[in-house]
Amino acid sequence: SQELEQSPQSLIVQEGKNLTINCTSSKTLYGLYWYKQKYGEGLIFLMMLQKGGEEKSHEKITAKLDEKKQQSSLHITASQPSHAGIYLCGAERYSGGGADGLTFGKGTHLIIQP
Amino acid sequence: GAGVSQSPSNKVTEKGKDVELRCDPISGHTALYWYRQSLGQGLEFLIYFQGNSAPDKSGLPSDRFSAERTGGSVSTLTIQRTQQEDSAVYLCASSLMGNEQYFGPGTRLTVT
Repeated sequence: SQELEQSPQSLIVQEGKNLTINCTSSKTLYGLYWYKQKYGEGLIFLMMLQKGGEEKSHEKITAKLDEKKQQSSLHITASQPSHAGIYLCGAERYSGGGADGLTFGKGTHLIIQP
Repeated sequence: GAGVSQSPSNKVTEKGKDVELRCDPISGHTALYWYRQSLGQGLEFLIYFQGNSAPDKSGLPSDRFSAERTGGSVSTLTIQRTQQEDSAVYLCASSLMGNEQYFGPGTRLTVT
């Protein structure tokens, strides 16, 4: 199974600024998922990446998976208060696909300052 | 249903008591997952179901933990003789054929 390290652990950003969160694995990532969690709530799916070099965007959030498939980044442009929360990266536990559950990083706490 | 639901939302129990946590997945989702989220450990995988069977129980922390799923739908996670270290938020998720997982709001368990 995968072990994922996220950085930074926490991040305070002024509203309107850009930011990047990283997720690194010591092993090849077969499927990498980004989720967002509001405090006290469940996880909201953001994006899934599978291919080396893949990049996906949704509104002001862009996620990338490097060519070696060992690192992913999540970039937020022109941050807004609604972006505040905990961002978690998750990886398929085994190469057989996400059907058998995910291993998660410990999360990045994002605070947006007005 | 509209989303994954879990009950109760909060549970306070005394050490040594048994508790049952319930998960209602999205209708039609074949896969169901249980995770545990605690401050020290982050989000940990516990067990998953494909239909009513659980191919991998390796994430369950001890034999006090068990889970079942009936009718390919509702699942219950049972913790026997609860300990203080069982205090955590228990999250359930469901998915269709291994696609992205949709999470419920969780059950916050406090063992006193």
